[in-house]
Amino acid sequence: KAGVTQTPRYLIKTRGQQVTLSCSPISGHRSVSWYQQTPGQGLQFLFEYFSETQRNKGNFPGRFSGRQFSNSRSEMNVSTLELGDSALYLCASSLSVLSSGANVLTFGAGSRLTVL
Amino acid sequence: DQQVKQNSPSLSVQEGRISILNCDYTNSMFDYFLWYKKYPAEGPTFLISISSIKDKNEDGRFTVFLNKSAKHLSLHIVPSQPGDSAVYFCAASGPGGKLIFGQGTELSVKP
Repeated sequence: KAGVTQTPRYLIKTRGQQVTLSCSPISGHRSVSWYQQTPGQGLQFLFEYFSETQRNKGNFPGRFSGRQFSNSRSEMNVSTLELGDSALYLCASSLSVLSSGANVLTFGAGSRLTVL
Repeated sequence: DQQVKQNSPSLSVQEGRISILNCDYTNSMFDYFLWYKKYPAEGPTFLISISSIKDKNEDGRFTVFLNKSAKHLSLHIVPSQPGDSAVYFCAASGPGGKLIFGQGTELSVKP
């Protein structure tokens, strides 16, 4: 079956602009999580959606937002881009996050954002 | 507040030898631990996991050890192969299921 699909794979923006990234989870997966990867910081948790509701949120400013649609597809948006937002944004899906231990995430290849 | 730490940014090992990747955590509420492997231009892929009720889990060449009292886990790869060269992330989860990742360790296995 198809994996997690993220679009676009690469994009370049300038400071002050906004960006929207898209994620299509594995069919049947209802949970979608977003992570930011930067050198030296590893994968920083942004937020997680389940059944169109944000269930968990990381420590990122309000410029970072997301949503999930009824078909489980998810988008994340970053407004007023800053140079420090340059990173690889990874989306991951799983069957559920309701029970700890059952939440093995399957990641997409990521969207590489460069802010100039 | 880095709840999951991988203090070695890189590790170099000779082919055929053992690779040991380490990870420390601070939150005693974590009850499930995972290792992911990431190649360039790809997303991380799940490798192996361990529940907090166990102290060891083995899958082929990969073994994860958990020391709860020390809040420490390690991944052993024996024997190491050049194809194992990648960035390895440890991750932990607790109530609520959110996965917290470490900073990653870049493993280089030299032929």
